[in-house]
Amino acid sequence: QQQVKQSPQSLIVQKGGISIINCAYENTAFDYFPWYQQFPGKGPALLIAIRPDVSEKKEGRFTISFNKSAKQFSLHIMDSQPGDSATYFCAAPEDSGYSTLTFGKGTMLLVSP
Amino acid sequence: EAQVTQNPRYLITVTGKKLTVTCSQNMNHEYMSWYRQDPGLGLRQIYYSMNVEVTDKGDVPEGYKVSRKEKRNFPLILESPSPNQTSLYFCASSGAGIASEQYFGPGTRLTVT
Repeated sequence: QQQVKQSPQSLIVQKGGISIINCAYENTAFDYFPWYQQFPGKGPALLIAIRPDVSEKKEGRFTISFNKSAKQFSLHIMDSQPGDSATYFCAAPEDSGYSTLTFGKGTMLLVSP
Repeated sequence: EAQVTQNPRYLITVTGKKLTVTCSQNMNHEYMSWYRQDPGLGLRQIYYSMNVEVTDKGDVPEGYKVSRKEKRNFPLILESPSPNQTSLYFCASSGAGIASEQYFGPGTRLTVT
């Protein structure tokens, strides 16, 4: 089973700052890496995803950076806002049929006002 | 409104008493899955289904059963619950396997005493 190592476990950022969450994966055969965002009391929701034919994907204030040689991908939240306070999960496919995802253990982000 | 619904949302039960958590989606998705979320362990997949009558084990299937008789429903069955199955459970669905957006339900918090 693929391991997906996510860091840090928790993160406190001031409003307007940059939040950075990192993930490392093992299996290089697959090419879909999503990030999910979970607010307290809610189910996770897809935030942004990347396929590594590109090294970066940006959607609004959220950017995924992908480093295939290092087997790492990162989520950057620019101009972090208190409303971004949530738990973030990275994930990677477990098999070539994309039947399962292995999730990181999550990062709890708190953006202070 | 496109959604995944789970029932019940909260359940307290005793060891050994069979229970079923229902999951239903209204998006005509082929793929459905069950996860459990535990502090420090992130999201772990229990079972998944690629389509009607097709189910397979995830990472932590022991003690659980599923069935997929209809496209919209994917119930999770605990035949003899034990305290180590106390957890937060999420059902999810997607239209084309996990390589597309997974929609998560609101979660079911289960306590087994």
